[in-house]
Amino acid sequence: QVQLQESGPGLVKPSGTLSLTCTVSGDSIGTYRWSWIRQSPGKGLEWIGYIYYIGSTNYNPSLKNRVTMSLDRSTNQFSLKLTSVSAADTAVYYCARSPDNGWTYFFDYWGQGKQVTVSS
Amino acid sequence: DIQVTQSPATLSASVGDRVTVTCRASQIISDWLAWYQQKPGKAPKLLIYKASTLQSGVPSRFSGSGSGTEFTLTISGLQPEDFGTYYCQHYNSYPWNFGQGTKVEIK
Repeated sequence: QVQLQESGPGLVKPSGTLSLTCTVSGDSIGTYRWSWIRQSPGKGLEWIGYIYYIGSTNYNPSLKNRVTMSLDRSTNQFSLKLTSVSAADTAVYYCARSPDNGWTYFFDYWGQGKQVTVSS
Repeated sequence: DIQVTQSPATLSASVGDRVTVTCRASQIISDWLAWYQQKPGKAPKLLIYKASTLQSGVPSRFSGSGSGTEFTLTISGLQPEDFGTYYCQHYNSYPWNFGQGTKVEIK
């Protein structure tokens, strides 16, 4: 059974950098697409971007200038960095998997979510 | 960007009822649409992809239909465990966007 688990600080200061890691267990990180999605009361569910197992990325244009994703196949983890955060970035952050067999950009496995609050 | 709009925002129904949620896309998205169920404090769960394909393990009372810009999620015979919020998500072109959600309450 595939499982995803987010980890990282739950509190980030304004103008700082939000850093989260997703650890994948039960399957190899290879041959899938791995996304970050966030959810806040004000904006609902928002796709942040994905990283492919070979390392290529695609980011939501609304966040593109502040987002970096990376992947480590040796540890079966992938990561998110979001810079210059403000209160508007306060949300529950999810990592999620998309299958890699054609145009399959939906999310079949999700982590449990990590609450991140931006506050001084 | 393609936006997806759900209706209604909230619905209340009785056990055994047939329930329908609608998702409308701002542009034609073929059948590149997924549906999710989310319960409080939990991550969304995939129910349907490619508009009408049932995800493995999802009860057959859930079904999806539509193509182009109009889509529906139907629950045939609402069960107590079906309460929660339902979201559609398009994946026709970047960025992928979600609907604002439909909260299903059990009467």
